[in-house]
Amino acid sequence: NAGVTQTPKFRILKIGQSMTLQCTQDMNHNYMYWYRQDPGMGLKLIYYSVGAGITDKGEVPNGYNVSRSTTEDFPLRLELAAPSQTSVYFCASSETGGRQETQYFGPGTRLLVL
Amino acid sequence: GENVEQHPSTLSVQEGDSAVIKCTYSDSASNYFPWYKQELGKRPQLIIDIRSNVGEKKDQRIAVTLNKTAKHFSLHITETQPEDSAVYFCAVGTSYDKVIFGPGTSLSVIP
Repeated sequence: NAGVTQTPKFRILKIGQSMTLQCTQDMNHNYMYWYRQDPGMGLKLIYYSVGAGITDKGEVPNGYNVSRSTTEDFPLRLELAAPSQTSVYFCASSETGGRQETQYFGPGTRLLVL
Repeated sequence: GENVEQHPSTLSVQEGDSAVIKCTYSDSASNYFPWYKQELGKRPQLIIDIRSNVGEKKDQRIAVTLNKTAKHFSLHITETQPEDSAVYFCAVGTSYDKVIFGPGTSLSVIP
């Protein structure tokens, strides 16, 4: 059981470039989440999904898009990268929902936008 | 939406002393209150959680208390050890399946 995996580990983007952060879980969890963590700060929810085909906005969705075509994968798309998107991005999953269950986090993707 | 506040933002204690971190929330419908520990450069990991039908839960040196009327909950760490040094996040599970995190408390345990 690999749990939640994320790729890449680290990426440098130029302003205006686009990229997709990959997240995969092998625990058959229905719920998946994307967070960003700025240096010295807490976790802010970007988007979440309660199952394949269903996604919803979190606290800070602007500048990002997500899709959920399978239970396992929940990619996060950055269009037109901006310096304000420099952050560490964590993907997480839970079995039945954030209201009641432990969230399992991936190792994170460190993104630098220059 | 849900608003989660956490205090203090930094906390230094001598090894062996106790540490207490408090969180307040705004949505009375929230019903799940986990605490996560994040060591430097690592991912957050759950250390303890409590649900709205329970007032207190303990796991060895760690305990969490919940006051639903006042809408606050606290993390208590007793007999602190240097390996307890980390950032601790409270979180609140909302009625919309979201989990909203507090801003974090940086705990330093001084040997």
